[in-house]
Amino acid sequence: SQQGEEDPQALSIQEGENATMNCSYKTSINNLQWYRQNSGRGLVHLILIRSNEREKHSGRLRVTLDTSKKSSSLLITASRAADTASYFCATPVIGSGATNKLIFGTGTLLAVQP
Amino acid sequence: DTEVTQTPKHLVMGMTNKKSLKCEQHMGHRAMYWYKQKAKKPPELMFVYSYEKLSINESVPSRFSPECPNSSLLNLHLHALQPEDSALYLCASSQGLAGASSYNEQFFGPGTRLTVL
Repeated sequence: SQQGEEDPQALSIQEGENATMNCSYKTSINNLQWYRQNSGRGLVHLILIRSNEREKHSGRLRVTLDTSKKSSSLLITASRAADTASYFCATPVIGSGATNKLIFGTGTLLAVQP
Repeated sequence: DTEVTQTPKHLVMGMTNKKSLKCEQHMGHRAMYWYKQKAKKPPELMFVYSYEKLSINESVPSRFSPECPNSSLLNLHLHALQPEDSALYLCASSQGLAGASSYNEQFFGPGTRLTVL
């Protein structure tokens, strides 16, 4: 399976704390994307980091990418109860062209306690 | 409009029923996707349409039949489903441009929660 792995599978923190989740993938990539999914809802794109980038910020989100280790991390700073969700990393299959086939990681379930 | 809409939100059907899921986007995207997601699992790709033509079928059983009537609409026709087909069905779209810019983000709808009795 090409599916990526994420750890931890589940993470519970207090409001105001930082949350870090990690993603490992198996193939060469053009970019790596992170998505959030609130319970039973659709996925929301959070951030995209290209293979030639090492770090990217967006608001309270910080993403790092290490292509030599085939891994990425997502840091959410100063977490809020509203950040409670599942977080998935996803990598496009190179060669899938305009159809942009994504391979999703296994996901991290984040619970932020108020 | 940066929204993907899906109807219905919930669907309960028997194994002999025929039903359809609908998806719509008005972002001018030329690639549209159907995913199936079981509880506590990542989405699994089912079908991809590119410029209204089916470009990927991930070996999905024929009881699922996709249709793309135009560039904004995507349907998934369901017939003779099994209880194990109960899941959240997600539609997504992306720009669908060729070249390096094609590997960009996908926009997801809220999903249809399907229960097969």
